[in-house]
Amino acid sequence: GAVVSQHPSWVICKSGTSVKIECRSLDFQATTMFWYRQFPKQSLMLMATSNEGSKATYEQGVEKDKFLINHASLTLSTLTVTSAHPEDSSFYICSARDPGGGWYQETQYFGPGTRLLVL
Amino acid sequence: GQNIDQPTEMTATEGAIVQINCTYQTSGFNGLFWYQQHAGEAPTFLSYNVLDGLEEKGRFSSFLSRSKGYSYLLLKELQMKDSASYLCAGMNYGGSQGNLIFGKGTKLSVKP
Repeated sequence: GAVVSQHPSWVICKSGTSVKIECRSLDFQATTMFWYRQFPKQSLMLMATSNEGSKATYEQGVEKDKFLINHASLTLSTLTVTSAHPEDSSFYICSARDPGGGWYQETQYFGPGTRLLVL
Repeated sequence: GQNIDQPTEMTATEGAIVQINCTYQTSGFNGLFWYQQHAGEAPTFLSYNVLDGLEEKGRFSSFLSRSKGYSYLLLKELQMKDSASYLCAGMNYGGSQGNLIFGKGTKLSVKP
């Protein structure tokens, strides 16, 4: 199946620093990528939708100035957590939409996730 | 509104069959996904149903009834490694171009 990579897999940083997470689709072109956050024992929560060549669409309650998203190409989206604080510690997961051969064949593949710990 | 409901926990025996149900109410419904998520890992894709009926993939099958807003994931010949959370997710073509609305997940425990 299709592969989505994320880098880094683990980040430990001091409060106030910025952290950049990359999400790449390795064998397909993803016009749309999604960023999720998951706290322990909770469901995935969509943060934003990233479209190549345009501004990201953020879900209600997600600060766009704090979570900067750049979808530079059809295979790369980045999430930058600016001025990270301990409450931003979470598991950040991206997914990429693979359109497949048509509307009935598309799916979304997840990256392996990035664990962020802000001290 | 949009809502995905699935049981919180289930327990089954190795070698048995288990069915995990999911009901949904979404606007602009465009398909239903099932993902498997082991503790501490990202979800992995299991199935995608957009038409009514049963899709079979090896030990896993998924069923969809759009008129009833209902889906289930069927796992056969259960193995210990199938112990995981199973996430039901509806695809929405509202304003977010295909984003998924996730249920809270069903934690399946497979016992010997």
